[in-house]
Order: sequence, then C-alpha cells, then structure tokens
Amino acid sequence: TQLLEQSPQFLSIQEGENLTVYCNSSSVFSSLQWYRQEPGEGPVLLVTVVTGGEVKKLKRLTFQFGDARKDSSLHITAAQPGDTGLYLCAGAKNTGTASKLTFGTGTRLQVTL
Amino acid sequence: DAGVTQSPTHLIKTRGQQVTLRCSPKSGHDTVSWYQQALGQGPQFIFQYYEEEERQRGNFPDRFSGHQFPNYSSELNVNALLLGDSALYLCASSLFSTVAYGYTFGSGTRLTVV
Repeated sequence: TQLLEQSPQFLSIQEGENLTVYCNSSSVFSSLQWYRQEPGEGPVLLVTVVTGGEVKKLKRLTFQFGDARKDSSLHITAAQPGDTGLYLCAGAKNTGTASKLTFGTGTRLQVTL
Repeated sequence: DAGVTQSPTHLIKTRGQQVTLRCSPKSGHDTVSWYQQALGQGPQFIFQYYEEEERQRGNFPDRFSGHQFPNYSSELNVNALLLGDSALYLCASSLFSTVAYGYTFGSGTRLTVV
C-alpha cells in the first residue's frame, strides 16, 4: 500500500508554463519533504515543511503543507528545461524513538523549449 | 565535504547469488537508511541503522540484511538474488535526531540480476 500518492504521474510542458504537483495521503505526517531526482543520481532535498498550512518559496518553486499535515503541493512558475526531473514527496512519521521517511509515487516532469 | 558515497556504482549478478553494497555517510551523520528504487517509481524503505542496530524495517524479506560499523558506514546484503531484485539501491544518511528534516542521498548502486 502506497501511503503517499502523487499526481500527475507524468507532466510534459513547454518552457515558461506554470504547473502544480500534488502529494496526498490519508496519514498525518510530522513533516513533509520534496526531492528532485535526475537520471543516474540520488534524490536531492529541495525543502522540508513542518507546520500545517506552511508555505515555503525557493526561487520559482512554492511548497505548501496542508492544514491537516496530510497533503502538500509544489507549484513551479515559469518552468525551465533545468526543472526537468523526477519530483518526489516524502512524509516523516515518528515511530517510538525513530523517524522513517516514506516516499510518494513520483511525478516525472519534462520541460521542453 | 564529501557527501554520501556508495560502491559499487553498477553491478551485474546471477540469480541465486549474493551481493554486498556499501555506503559511507556524509561527514557528521550517524544514521543510514537504505532504499530500493525500481525504474520510474519512488524509493521503497528497506531499513534504517543507528548505533550499529537496525532501528526500523520496511516490508522486505529476510534475504535483505544489513550492518552498520562503528565509523557509521553501512552495508546492505542481499542473499539468493531474484530477477525482481534488479533496481537502484540508494543509501541515505542523516542525524538520528533530524531524520524528519531530510536525508542526504548517495548516487546509488544499480544492481542488475540476470
């Protein structure tokens, strides 16, 4: 069972367009993270959101954590070819003394000229 | 400052064989987590090591085992390899107290089972 569902699975857009990727779950997370992964590489952390309703901006990327801490969105403004990659959300759950990250299904973004 | 280092980068094994993958965490990190990533999918949690003990485990069979050494480096062992074990194996390091705030990943080991 996949705890975190991302949509859309695939997205192909032209340079300059805006897009939003969604990450949804029925579970509550203590924090949620977004990563970008390029072919042949490991995921790279973009942002961590902790508080329900929190909004963080990273240049043209805007991240939001849902009020109930069950979902998140990533909005990219004026997409560029360098934004191409696999976007992954990951939720952290505290289990006793340890935390574990569970990754979403991923959204593959392709930005063309 | 070296990040997470994994070796080897690529590996081809035959069904039924055993394999050992290695990971050196980022300097200052004490926790290592291993993930399996099938092509085009999100990483699946295998297990997490801290203080040389397995702290958490995902839904993987006992054929998957690991170890953490006193210098925080870690190994992932897979016995009796199946074709379905072909995947990218990712090692991620963090501080135990800040796992919830993000991992640093290595570039992974691409395992192909034939």
